[in-house]
This record gives sequence, C-alpha cells and structure tokens, in this order.
Amino acid sequence: DAGVIQSPRHEVTEMGQEVTLRCKPISGHNSLFWYRQTMMRGLELLIYFNNNVPIDDSGMPEDRFSAKMPNASFSTLKIQPSEPRDSAVYFCASSLDSGERAQYFGPGTRLTVL
Amino acid sequence: SQKIEQNSEALNIQEGKTATLTCNYTNYSPAYLQWYRQDPGRGPVFLLLIRENEKEKRKERLKVTFDTTLKQSLFHITASQPADSATYLCALPRGGTYKYIFGTGTRLKVLA
Repeated sequence: DAGVIQSPRHEVTEMGQEVTLRCKPISGHNSLFWYRQTMMRGLELLIYFNNNVPIDDSGMPEDRFSAKMPNASFSTLKIQPSEPRDSAVYFCASSLDSGERAQYFGPGTRLTVL
Repeated sequence: SQKIEQNSEALNIQEGKTATLTCNYTNYSPAYLQWYRQDPGRGPVFLLLIRENEKEKRKERLKVTFDTTLKQSLFHITASQPADSATYLCALPRGGTYKYIFGTGTRLKVLA
C-alpha cells in the first residue's frame, strides 16, 4: 500500500483565495483525521470522520473551514477565504478502529497564505 | 481542562546511552496512550501503544511505561543511535473517543 496520499505537497496562495487540500486514506481504514501543525500550537485535530461520516468537527477553527468525505477513499479540506494565519502544515491521517488504532499520517501539505 | 505536557526543550544524549522522554497529563483518565516519532518535513509515525492495564511495553530498543497514578508515561530508547534523532510525541484519546490530543513533542538529538 502506498500509505496516506496528500496533495498538493506545497501550496502558496494569496489572502482571500480558496484552498482545497486532498487526501486519500489507506484502503480499508475506516477513520480519517485532519490535523493542523504549527510551531506555536503543535498538532491540532480539526475534524474526524468515521465510515465517511463527520463525527467531531469541534476543532475546525471557524466557518471558513469545511471538510468532506464523499467516499471511503477520498477527503477534502477547504479553506475559503484563506487568511495568513491559516499558514501551517496540514496532515491527513487514517486508522482502523481496532487493535492499536495506530494513525497513519500522510506527508502533509505545507500551506502558505500571503 | 485536559492537558498533555512533554519536555519542550531538546534532549541531547551521547550515542549508546539510554534516552528517556516524559509525557505527563492532567484531567485525563485515558484507556491507552500512544507514542509517535516525527522527522523534519514528514508526518508522525506510530511507534507503540500502551493500555492502562499494562505497566510496561517493549518493542526492540523501545520501552514505554504507563503510570496511571502519577498520570505519566516514560519513553525509553536504549543503546541510542544518531538515527534515533527526531521529535517524539505522545497522544491520548479524549474521553473514550477517537479524538486524539497530541503533546507538543520532545526533540531528541543523539550525538555520535
């Protein structure tokens, strides 16, 4: 398996633009997580899906952020409009709801909003 | 509020020595705790899970302890190598859910 796939790996955009981050989880995993990592705040959970259903989105900073999981093999995180304070590395992770529940992280998308 | 604390300062140790990293938590009673490794520019990689009824768990040169009375987990790397240099994060599930809280991580540097 190729692991969790994220695209793009780097995104530079201007304030006010829409940004869409994409994630393909590991096949067979039924949980998907979106995280944001910054030096100041560390790794923060934004939203968690189980069996394609959003279970907890309390970490989504504000209405500018939205996430979807239309099927088991694809998820998106959208920021509209983007702001400079959204600059961070965004990680997608997937896991199985059994055993050690290890989260497998993608390589991340480094977002810079100018 | 629920909080996880890891040493924010970097830990430098000599090759061959044992590295010990600490994860303290408050206002939690997690059923288990996980440790991850993160290299610069990469996503975290899962290392170990320890459950509340396990005092200690080992995997190759790694050893993790879990003291629910002290609300602390210790992560040990024995016979450390420069390749072990990375940031190590602990993670706990919040309130019986799969909503994980991560510590800020401790950066370990093993000197040759």
